[in-house]
Amino acid sequence: DTEVTQTPKHLVMGMTNKKSLKCEQHMGHRAMYWYKQKAKKPPELMFVYSYEKLSINESVPSRFSPECPNSSLLNLHLHALQPEDSALYLCASSQLDMGFSYNEQFFGPGTRLTVL
Amino acid sequence: GNSVTQMEGPVTLSEEAFLTINCTYTATGYPSLFWYVQYPGEGLQLLLKATKADDKGSNKGFEATYRKETTSFHLEKGSVQVSDSAVYFCALSRSRTGNQFYFGTGTSLTVIP
Repeated sequence: DTEVTQTPKHLVMGMTNKKSLKCEQHMGHRAMYWYKQKAKKPPELMFVYSYEKLSINESVPSRFSPECPNSSLLNLHLHALQPEDSALYLCASSQLDMGFSYNEQFFGPGTRLTVL
Repeated sequence: GNSVTQMEGPVTLSEEAFLTINCTYTATGYPSLFWYVQYPGEGLQLLLKATKADDKGSNKGFEATYRKETTSFHLEKGSVQVSDSAVYFCALSRSRTGNQFYFGTGTSLTVIP
């Protein structure tokens, strides 16, 4: 299985709602990532988990709260979002090893989020 | 620092035309280089990669060669198809873990019949 899955595919929420995005992979990857992508722009890194621990937080507002319950799952909890947070949210995963090649990231299809 | 500079788009080509999308990078040490493709409404898919100087990555008729002397990783395809219409991102990874991933701005390609 070489797939990263994300649910839901689309999400519409109000500014007072609480919702969660889910990401899953079964490739044995121990690094998982959340990205935000605006239209016609490259993905922007938000969070990185390495061995289920948060290793990078790119100064993301606290209304975004990541969680990694186990090595296969990654969640992004959303609360009190703003309309400018509307974007495609991408999850990715990659191997972690001590070899000399740098590992590619495998991306999910994304969740299209609209904040009203 | 580490960065990727990519050819400005959009690019419009006729079917069977030759494609080149330029990508140059700035990095310390020896990064790995990647091309990703994003079709409308989808996530990013790895198209090809190269991990050391003079490596050539290839997939689905696309090729790119890691040129350390010119710090470049240009994407080429000899004969494009309508189905190649997508956004192409050049990227570099400067960490074994892949954590430090730097993307170019993306180049939108439209192929017309």
